[in-house]
Amino acid sequence: DAEITQSPRHKITETGRQVTLACHQTWNHNNMFWYRQDLGHGLRLIHYSYGVQDTNKGEVSDGYSVSRSNTEDLPLTLESAASSQTSVYFCASSESGPLNEQFFGPGTRLTVL
Amino acid sequence: GNSVTQMEGPVTLSEEAFLTINCTYTATGYPSLFWYVQYPGEGLQLLLKATKADDKGSNKGFEATYRKETTSFHLEKGSVQVSDSAVYFCALSDPGGYGQNFVFGPGTRLSVLP
Repeated sequence: DAEITQSPRHKITETGRQVTLACHQTWNHNNMFWYRQDLGHGLRLIHYSYGVQDTNKGEVSDGYSVSRSNTEDLPLTLESAASSQTSVYFCASSESGPLNEQFFGPGTRLTVL
Repeated sequence: GNSVTQMEGPVTLSEEAFLTINCTYTATGYPSLFWYVQYPGEGLQLLLKATKADDKGSNKGFEATYRKETTSFHLEKGSVQVSDSAVYFCALSDPGGYGQNFVFGPGTRLSVLP
């Protein structure tokens, strides 16, 4: 069965370190998304991609970057982790077209000390 | 801009009670509407969706009707179970802009007591 996976599931890091969260989907979806989920804020869009070599900034992109070198993967990098980036991060994917549902990964809980 | 408003809860019900979670939206175009559910420690899962006015989405005893005149998509279930305890998110996808742009509501936490 097709799926979307994230790794690691839990990560503890220190302020200032670079961290990369992996997202891999086997749906062959063109669209991929990164969200963060924080109490009181719901889901907020960080970055998204509509295909290989395409990346776009979302609502809360400062301090994050992504790259899309193939259809299956959209890694999220925190260039210099900050305590404010402690959160649960979700990756999602969908078929092309604005009306299709998004499929979510299980999430990565990141703690920045 | 587009937005989704939903009752934030928490909502606490006894088993077999009737559930309503209100959701209203603002959108420039003709959005698709979704309800997602998130169980503890998991990602979001699609519960149901509706793509045009008067459509009714349904799944696992939950249902919601796309009401364009009131810009609403309220989630209902006739008899909740303890296993329905989760956080429920209303969302829209507006085709008016480039590509896909989902907007999520803040989520409503539901606790069902035995």
